Amino acid sequence: QKEVEQNSGPLSVPEGAIASLNCTYSDRGSQSFFWYRQYSGKSPELIMFIYSNGDKEDGRFTAQLNKASQYVSLLIRDSQPSDSATYLCAVNRSDMRFGAGTRLTVKP
Amino acid sequence: DAGITQSPRHKVTETGTPVTLRCHQTENHRYMYWYRQDPGHGLRLIHYSYGVKDTDKGEVSDGYSVSRSKTEDFLLTLESATSSQTSVYFCAISESKGTGTALNEQFFGPGTRLTVL
Repeated sequence: QKEVEQNSGPLSVPEGAIASLNCTYSDRGSQSFFWYRQYSGKSPELIMFIYSNGDKEDGRFTAQLNKASQYVSLLIRDSQPSDSATYLCAVNRSDMRFGAGTRLTVKP
Repeated sequence: DAGITQSPRHKVTETGTPVTLRCHQTENHRYMYWYRQDPGHGLRLIHYSYGVKDTDKGEVSDGYSVSRSKTEDFLLTLESATSSQTSVYFCAISESKGTGTALNEQFFGPGTRLTVL
């Protein structure tokens, strides 16, 4: 079992819809959780972090954390074609562990 | 890219040759990391540094060595490159390592694409 698992996708949503990206992790001691966006051929860019159970909102992005279920998600509201990218989930305890990423395509 | 540069940006080399990749930061962050990114595997930690001359191994350290003689520079060396080391290499920096309540927000450099023939 991988330490951080994501559905590789591709996930395709129409413009204006809500995109839901999911991530599960195996280490119950994990303390902080991150979402990175990576455009093709570019480096990962931090878009959100969360460390408490519940929801955290930042503009069109909402991160959700459920430590009991070892589950973290990212919702993107009003998806735009510019949101088309690979989204990486990262989980930190003593070291940062990354999922392989979910490729999101937003169709105009 | 948060004041992080990597050089070279692209390199093609032959099996058995030594290769050194450089990461330079202007943020004065304590921690620096080297990752490799391969399809299906995501980002995997090679080595990291928690200060000048202080380094430790990551998940996939075999075949790699690192050095940090100045706060701003972190070098990754492939002593004898192999085809399995063909990858995209990213340097990252952070202010903390994320133990306890300290967050470990990592910021990435632009990457180096290495091809070993």
